[in-house]
Amino acid sequence: GAVVSQHPSWVICKSGTSVKIECRSLDFQATTMFWYRQFPKQSLMLMATSNEGSKATYEQGVEKDKFLINHASLTLSTLTVTSAHPEDSSFYICSAPAGGGAGETQYFGPGTRLLVL
Amino acid sequence: EDQVTQSPEALRLQEGESSSLNCSYTVSGLRGLFWYRQDPGKGPEFLFTLYSAGEEKEKERLKATLTKKESFLHITAPKPEDSATYLCAVLRPGGYQKVTFGTGTKLQVIP
Repeated sequence: GAVVSQHPSWVICKSGTSVKIECRSLDFQATTMFWYRQFPKQSLMLMATSNEGSKATYEQGVEKDKFLINHASLTLSTLTVTSAHPEDSSFYICSAPAGGGAGETQYFGPGTRLLVL
Repeated sequence: EDQVTQSPEALRLQEGESSSLNCSYTVSGLRGLFWYRQDPGKGPEFLFTLYSAGEEKEKERLKATLTKKESFLHITAPKPEDSATYLCAVLRPGGYQKVTFGTGTKLQVIP
């Protein structure tokens, strides 16, 4: 099956600092990747679509200057949370579609827990 | 606007007690429906993809079915290791590969 990794799995930072999270597709190429955040006991909320070779597209209400996305290659997307604040503390998960066809299945990374103090 | 509603929110079963989880959706022109399992502190693990009404998929003790309005995840003779949150998601119309998730059903199987 398709494997997606994320790094780091845990990060604790001080308020005002920036944090970078990496998402990699290990055994397939992904021209598109997705970034989600999940608050405790809630479902996944799509934040943005990462596009290799072009700008990311953001869901309504998501600040693009706050959450910087770079899709550097066909296997790597990064999410940078800039000037993080305690309200940015959350579980961030990336996914990538694989399998071919119009209804491609999303494969998810293991997630990154961010805690901003 | 597409909506995905899962029920029940939580389900507690005795080991071996079969049951079903429900996922109701309102989306025009369904292009695909997915079931995932999520363990605490981890990313969702893919289980099934269903594309059209009448389709069924099975994997071990799990069986997913799809109608024009809802999908069911049937769990036969569950074991404690089946305890997890089960998420349903649908492909958004015209949204390329974007999906909308339901809020999930938290399943606890008691030995």
